[in-house]
Amino acid sequence: GEDVEQSLFLSVREGDSSVINCTYTDSSSTYLYWYKQEPGAGLQLLTYIFSNMDMKQDQRLTVLLNKKDKHLSLRIADTQTGDSAIYFCAETQGGKLIFGQGTELSVKP
Amino acid sequence: DTGVSQDPRHKITKRGQNVTFRCDPISEHNRLYWYRQTLGQGPEFLTYFQNEAQLEKSRLLSDRFSAERPKGSFSTLEIQRTEQGDSAMYLCASSLGSQGVFLAFFGQGTRLTVV
Repeated sequence: GEDVEQSLFLSVREGDSSVINCTYTDSSSTYLYWYKQEPGAGLQLLTYIFSNMDMKQDQRLTVLLNKKDKHLSLRIADTQTGDSAIYFCAETQGGKLIFGQGTELSVKP
Repeated sequence: DTGVSQDPRHKITKRGQNVTFRCDPISEHNRLYWYRQTLGQGPEFLTYFQNEAQLEKSRLLSDRFSAERPKGSFSTLEIQRTEQGDSAMYLCASSLGSQGVFLAFFGQGTRLTVV
């Protein structure tokens, strides 16, 4: 089947903004999600966006959705060392979530 | 703690043995999902339930895998005759919904090592 695609690595300096990109496949996805995973842990739901929205802001997080290009991005403002983790985007396909491979964010002090 | 709970957190088993994992979802959630995650990969869908009904099972899922949710609350995932390739993190999630997925919350996972 088609894959949800993400770049694998991103490295930023503390205090900078991080932008993690994702290309999804199912244009009928009702919601699109961003999850965060720290080493050895489960997935933490960070934020989500409804498919009829272009943008959603939640504190330091901004989600942008371009439905035409099936492109989703997550911007983290003022990135901190505690933001170092793997970030997964997910689309809804039927009754389930389909995930990308994850982007490993490394924040250097 | 009212989150999704998985048990055990870690399991080491010998090849050929059967293993069973348990997931307790958030209490009011009617949907329950099982995923498998290997190192460097995103979670891979295995199966999901709405209440006690198993609505979808991945084509990739071997017939050695079976999942149940007998009373629409907790779920078990059993792997029979384990193989080394079954070594992975098994994640459970739950959500509320009748159409599509809305706000799925994950447990901490069960890490299976087959030796």
